Amino acid sequence: GAVVSQHPSWVICKSGTSVKIECRSLDFQATTMFWYRQFPKQSLMLMATSNEGSKATYEQGVEKDKFLINHASLTLSTLTVTSAHPEDSSFYICSARDLERNTIYFGEGSWLTVV
Amino acid sequence: AQSVTQLDSQVPVFEEAPVELRCNYSSSVSVYLFWYVQYPNQGLQLLLKYLSGSTLVKGINGFEAEFNKSQTSFHLRKPSVHISDTAEYFCAVSGSGNTGKLIFGQGTTLQVKP
Repeated sequence: GAVVSQHPSWVICKSGTSVKIECRSLDFQATTMFWYRQFPKQSLMLMATSNEGSKATYEQGVEKDKFLINHASLTLSTLTVTSAHPEDSSFYICSARDLERNTIYFGEGSWLTVV
Repeated sequence: AQSVTQLDSQVPVFEEAPVELRCNYSSSVSVYLFWYVQYPNQGLQLLLKYLSGSTLVKGINGFEAEFNKSQTSFHLRKPSVHISDTAEYFCAVSGSGNTGKLIFGQGTTLQVKP
């Protein structure tokens, strides 16, 4: 079964509103999680590294005020897309590193559609 | 900095035929290499990974890959594919320390035909 869970799987929101996506590690603690964005028929682009108890590290070109990341516990990171616009519509995927198993697990992804 | 190049965007193959999906990387430091599979509208599933040791890595679903440092390659192979192997395949690299931060290739669509 899944060891990293994302919620919601699908979300539709209106332009100008904010939407939150959750990423949870189910059976391990993850001090570090990662958020990726994937456009249709394209590869995954790393957006940011989410660090438990500290600020996220954003990749070049990613607006930190637009994509708010909070990693408040060892099993939960959230990505909030603020003031969403249609161009923010995409597939967002998180991953988490399991240090014990030395493996990176991905969530099932979240489809965001902004109308 | 690391980068990954998947040389083929699409690979059509008939069922039960062998297949090789190519992946080349560039890095100035030691790397860890991964292959993931993505089915439509789903997340990524790990097929196999190379961290150290034997250069021939066996993964799930009958896939294997060989790490070739001199050619900076990590090609994925399967001796006999099934219709169910139709999916998008991503090669990824993580830099020194296997921090979990992955850089992905562009992806290869494997189309298995009956």
